[in-house]
Amino acid sequence: DAGVTQSPTHLIKTRGQQVTLRCSPKSGHDTVSWYQQALGQGPQFIFQYYEEEERQRGNFPDRFSGHQFPNYSSELNVNALLLGDSALYLCASSHRSWTASGYTFGSGTRLTVV
Amino acid sequence: GNSVTQMEGPVTLSEEAFLTINCTYTATGYPSLFWYVQYPGEGLQLLLKATKADDKGSNKGFEATYRKETTSFHLEKGSVQVSDSAVYFCALLTGNYGGSQGNLIFGKGTKLSVKP
Repeated sequence: DAGVTQSPTHLIKTRGQQVTLRCSPKSGHDTVSWYQQALGQGPQFIFQYYEEEERQRGNFPDRFSGHQFPNYSSELNVNALLLGDSALYLCASSHRSWTASGYTFGSGTRLTVV
Repeated sequence: GNSVTQMEGPVTLSEEAFLTINCTYTATGYPSLFWYVQYPGEGLQLLLKATKADDKGSNKGFEATYRKETTSFHLEKGSVQVSDSAVYFCALLTGNYGGSQGNLIFGKGTKLSVKP
């Protein structure tokens, strides 16, 4: 049973560019959340998608946007990249019935902005 | 607002030593609490959880008890191994509202190194 799959694993972009990160949730999960983890810090919540809609958003600017597809997979888009956007981006999936069993996290996409 | 504070690292221990990583939280209501572990170059893995006061979560020799009176969820292990070397994150789950399922608030992480 595949867990959460993220692509690509590593990415290098230039300041000002745009980037798209992808996530496939664990089989049976229908909700996807995105987190940003800066070096040496804990993950910070970006937003959560369920039924193809953004349900909750953390304290991130509008440069960060997302999408969820009918097959529950999701994309995270970041526009006008800044050096400070360099981080590990983690996708986590869960099911709407949420039994507090904990989200399942992917291995992340390491984004470097130069 | 919601927040999690955990002890600063790094923590360096010898194999078979006793481990404690302190975690306290601030939250509205009684959130579910979690410990996640992150091995080098990997994502987060759920280590253990507790959903209500006095619950004890346990897994792989690690334990943590949900203490409402002290708003704490300290992680303990009686005898650490080299393979336990990783970064440990304490987290709480915010309440669900507006169709969301809540989100996780993490501490900054504590790096554990276990020497043979």
